Amino acid sequence: AQSVTQPDIHITVSEGASLELRCNYSYGATPYLFWYVQSPGQGLQLLLKYFSGDTLVQGIKGFEAEFKRSQSSFNLRKPSVHWSDAAEYFCAVGGTGTASKLTFGTGTRLQVTL
Amino acid sequence: DTAVSQTPKYLVTQMGNDKSIKCEQNLGHDTMYWYKQDSKKFLKIMFSYNNKELIINETVPNRFSPKSPDKAHLNLHINSLELGDSAVYFCASSQDPGGSNSPLHFGNGTRLTVT
Repeated sequence: AQSVTQPDIHITVSEGASLELRCNYSYGATPYLFWYVQSPGQGLQLLLKYFSGDTLVQGIKGFEAEFKRSQSSFNLRKPSVHWSDAAEYFCAVGGTGTASKLTFGTGTRLQVTL
Repeated sequence: DTAVSQTPKYLVTQMGNDKSIKCEQNLGHDTMYWYKQDSKKFLKIMFSYNNKELIINETVPNRFSPKSPDKAHLNLHINSLELGDSAVYFCASSQDPGGSNSPLHFGNGTRLTVT
């Protein structure tokens, strides 16, 4: 069965500091991997996605993520965090096929201090 | 201009009642979903429909009945509401089924509180 683990429930960083959110996945084949962001009172928005090719993928809002097959990880990074990045971040894994589905991690809440 | 809209935004009701949540998408997508987010923010798929056909039914109690009158709409009806049904329910859509080949677009959620 596919699964996602986000070990950090809550992270606090200062504005301007770098950020890394951890994600580990379990999937039997080559996975699709995603990071979504949820602002308070809003639905989820896709930040970036990986399936194949370059293991470092760029997303919106200055985020990037690196796929490491050997570590079953897909960590999200940003070199300099802005106060507006405060939100809940979800990692997800999925496959292909009509009946495939995304499995989400439990999320990491990011707090940004000024 | 809202891509995926769901109503109502808040729903407070008593145990035993029946309620519905409506969802509409104007993106022209073929697939729509219902997700449930519990109090710990855990997000789990409930149903998915592709071209009005049910694809995924994730062991959800049969008190929950989705209905897709057309590709742009997916409603969720809940009978005999229980305390444990309290959660935020998200509607989503994507061009292709599964949410992998094409990204999911989420509505802003319906917060259901059962008292």
